[in-house]
Amino acid sequence: AQRVTQPEKLLSVFKGAPVELKCNYSYSGSPELFWYVQYSRQRLQLLLRHISRESIKGFTADLNKGETSFHLKKPFAQEEDSAMYYCALNLLDNQGGKLIFGQGTELSVKP
Amino acid sequence: KAGVTQTPRYLIKTRGQQVTLSCSPISGHRSVSWYQQTPGQGLQFLFEYFSETQRNKGNFPGRFSGRQFSNSRSEMNVSTLELGDSALYLCASSPGTGAWGYTFGSGTRLTVV
Repeated sequence: AQRVTQPEKLLSVFKGAPVELKCNYSYSGSPELFWYVQYSRQRLQLLLRHISRESIKGFTADLNKGETSFHLKKPFAQEEDSAMYYCALNLLDNQGGKLIFGQGTELSVKP
Repeated sequence: KAGVTQTPRYLIKTRGQQVTLSCSPISGHRSVSWYQQTPGQGLQFLFEYFSETQRNKGNFPGRFSGRQFSNSRSEMNVSTLELGDSALYLCASSPGTGAWGYTFGSGTRLTVV
């Protein structure tokens, strides 16, 4: 079955420390993976998509098909990075897509 | 351009009642999806509409239904409300299959008492 796993519910780091939020997926096809972020009292926002190979707000994520992972990384965490982060897999079915979300990781960056 | 708009923002309903939630997608987006967010189950897919046709449906009972209009606006209906239906209901839109991501609305917070 298709599944997205984020093993850490909470990740706490100090400002300036490196951050890695883990995401593993289970999917037999070619995955379309995303990271979404939800800041306090704000809507869910798209942060990264693997198809773009982009860096947003200093965050990057590399798709590793061998390890079925899509970890989110940032070399130097900032306090404004504190938020809830969700890894999501877009499944194509009946020519439409649907997102399978991980349970989310709360990132807390301390001063 | 305007984002995804959901109305109302908050709703309080009694068990057994029914409720209708509304979503206006980004202009030009023809796909509208609905998700339920709860502390226990996280974010779960409800259904997806494209050009007034339901393309996908999640594992929710038949009390949950939806529709999409010709202008791409979508409504979601929950009948015979149960306490467990209390959740944040999110709407998301995309141009097509979501390969480049979805844009989410702020959600409708439904409380069933």
